[in-house]
Amino acid sequence: GNSVTQMEGPVTLSEEAFLTINCTYTATGYPSLFWYVQYPGEGLQLLLKATKADDKGSNKGFEATYRKETTSFHLEKGSVQVSDSAVYFCALHPNSGNTPLVFGKGTRLSVIA
Amino acid sequence: DAGVIQSPRHEVTEMGQEVTLRCKPISGHNSLFWYRQTMMRGLELLIYFNNNVPIDDSGMPEDRFSAKMPNASFSTLKIQPSEPRDSAVYFCASSFETGASNYGYTFGSGTRLTVV
Repeated sequence: GNSVTQMEGPVTLSEEAFLTINCTYTATGYPSLFWYVQYPGEGLQLLLKATKADDKGSNKGFEATYRKETTSFHLEKGSVQVSDSAVYFCALHPNSGNTPLVFGKGTRLSVIA
Repeated sequence: DAGVIQSPRHEVTEMGQEVTLRCKPISGHNSLFWYRQTMMRGLELLIYFNNNVPIDDSGMPEDRFSAKMPNASFSTLKIQPSEPRDSAVYFCASSFETGASNYGYTFGSGTRLTVV
C-alpha cells in the first residue's frame, strides 16, 4: 500500500539554524510528492511539490528533492525564521485512479529568537 | 479566486443538536475532500467526491455523519445528533485530478466545532 513516514516532532530550533525534516514513503508506481505547511489557526497550504524522480521542489527558501533510490523527500531550509513555526506535512499522490493524497502525521516546528 | 470557502468559521452547539458545515470549492476543481483534525487523531480523511459523486466514505466515523455535494460549487457535512467527541476542526479541500496526476489540494480555513 501507499504510506508516508515523517520524523516525529516537535522540532525546536534557534533562528537562522538549518532545518531538515525527514520524510520517507512507500508507494507502488510513480507517485507525486508534496510538502504542506499549516500555520496556527489556518488550513494546510501547499509548500512545494515534485512529480518525478530527481525533481527538486522549492518555495520560500524551502526545498526537497524526490529521491527514488532512497524513497525519500526530505524538507530542508538553510536558515529558519520565527515565522516558519508551523506544522509540516509530507504527502504523496499515487497518480492512479480516484485515490486521495496520503499524508504523514505532521511535524511541529518551533523556531525561537 | 477566493480559494476554498468554509462556513461557519466557528460553531458551538449543544450535544444532540444538528450541525451543518458548508464548503464552496474552487471553481473548476473536480474533487472535494472533507477532513477532521484533532490533537489526538491528527488529520483524518472523512469522505471525498469526484465530479460530485461520493467515491469513498469509509472515513466517516458513524451514521451520525453524512455529506452531500448537490453541485460542483457546494458541499455540506452534517452531524446529527452531535456529541462532545465530535469537537474538532473540520477542513474542506478541493483539487483538479485527472486520475493520472494531481496538482495538489487547496484547503479551506476550517470550521472549529465545539460540542458542549
